[in-house]
Amino acid sequence: GDSVTQMEGPVTLSEEAFLTINCTYTATGYPSLFWYVQYPGEGLQLLLKATKADDKGSNKGFEATYRKETTSFHLEKGSVQVSDSAVYFCALSGRTGGFKTIFGAGTRLFVKA
Amino acid sequence: SAVISQKPSRDICQRGTSLTIQCQVDSQVTMMFWYRQQPGQSLTLIATANQGSEATYESGFVIDKFPISRPNLTFSTLTVSNMSPEDSSIYLCSSKTGDSSYNEQFFGPGTRLTVL
Repeated sequence: GDSVTQMEGPVTLSEEAFLTINCTYTATGYPSLFWYVQYPGEGLQLLLKATKADDKGSNKGFEATYRKETTSFHLEKGSVQVSDSAVYFCALSGRTGGFKTIFGAGTRLFVKA
Repeated sequence: SAVISQKPSRDICQRGTSLTIQCQVDSQVTMMFWYRQQPGQSLTLIATANQGSEATYESGFVIDKFPISRPNLTFSTLTVSNMSPEDSSIYLCSSKTGDSSYNEQFFGPGTRLTVL
């Protein structure tokens, strides 16, 4: 079945450092790909998404590109802030899963001032 | 977009009792879901709440333990029955405005349940 694998955390960075969180997926067909973020004490919210190959999703300085050839959707940010400290979930939704969203394990990010 | 509220936000319950969690969406939505999130873990889908019919449960979850209602397109409840300490978790309500793969999901703030 469809699945999502993302890098284990926690990831600890200093403010203004470059961030990459790796995400790869296994799916039949052409799923949509998402990054969700969960700030401390809050529910999940959509950070960005891409619905077809080579699409780039972006929001709040974060970017991720849908790479079908490598089945990847890595999250990047050029300069992280303390306020970016959160848990980041890579996810996919596709026809074979009945359009249910399948989430990765989550990667906790700590940004130090 | 959809704004989702849940009640209660947290509760501490005794073993063997039941708790019903309410989920209210501020607009009509096609799909509603219930998830469980253990501390520091990812989300596990419990079931899809179907309007006007029985919920669709994922492997490992059964109706007797987690009965779900969805009387209309904006409201659902999840009951955690005959609770044990292993049921201590955060329970999340979620919705999608459409049933396509590109529709994002919206999440409630969660209900933190502790079972003693």
